[in-house]
Amino acid sequence: AIRMTQSPSSLSASTGDRVTITCRASQGISSYLAWYQQKPGKAPKLLIYAASTLQSGVPSRFSGSGSGTDFTLTISCLQSEDFATYYCQQYYSYLLTFGGGTKVEIK
Amino acid sequence: QLQLQESGPGLVKPSETLSLTCTVSGGSISSSSYYWGWIRQPPGKGLEWIGSIYYSGSTYYNPSLKSRVTISVDTSKNQFSLKLSSVTAADTAVYYCARHGTIGVVIIFDAFDIWGQGTMVTVSS
Repeated sequence: AIRMTQSPSSLSASTGDRVTITCRASQGISSYLAWYQQKPGKAPKLLIYAASTLQSGVPSRFSGSGSGTDFTLTISCLQSEDFATYYCQQYYSYLLTFGGGTKVEIK
Repeated sequence: QLQLQESGPGLVKPSETLSLTCTVSGGSISSSSYYWGWIRQPPGKGLEWIGSIYYSGSTYYNPSLKSRVTISVDTSKNQFSLKLSSVTAADTAVYYCARHGTIGVVIIFDAFDIWGQGTMVTVSS
């Protein structure tokens, strides 16, 4: 199975900050990577697919980059509604795997 | 717009079979463009893909669960279902159903774009 490693596992930030989360795949996955946002008690929500394509309706302050094994999710100007846990997921292999998550907390 | 809703018992006894159904509304499960999947999340932990099914009945399973999992589809009811046998406390989780696109033969799946709200299943005697 392709292992997805996210870092950091948690971070504290303030509204207005620029936040970057990284995701590393244990082998090359081209650009077959998605990012999800999950708030407590809610289902994950797709933010970005194909490593850098914004899902319809997602604010433009979210962006994704990378290919191969290293990927980043950037929130350019953190808003109060962005405090949540973020997961990356590869779909290069039929055996779909997720990263362990990054919890973005209020500083 | 398309919606997914999980249903099933919230409590299952150890060694028994967990059974859940996902009802698709606002669209057809028989679309050639999508697979329908199950994902679970133990309390306080991350996400684990269980398996996915195409409307034709073609399935893909996580090898770590394959011996205990059966996913089936009922196109007449616009539903797909999950059965997980011989459950233990480790199977206690929120279970989500979700839709994901199909890309091709080599790269099969796309990202999960629509999710159900999830249903908590506890395994306990």
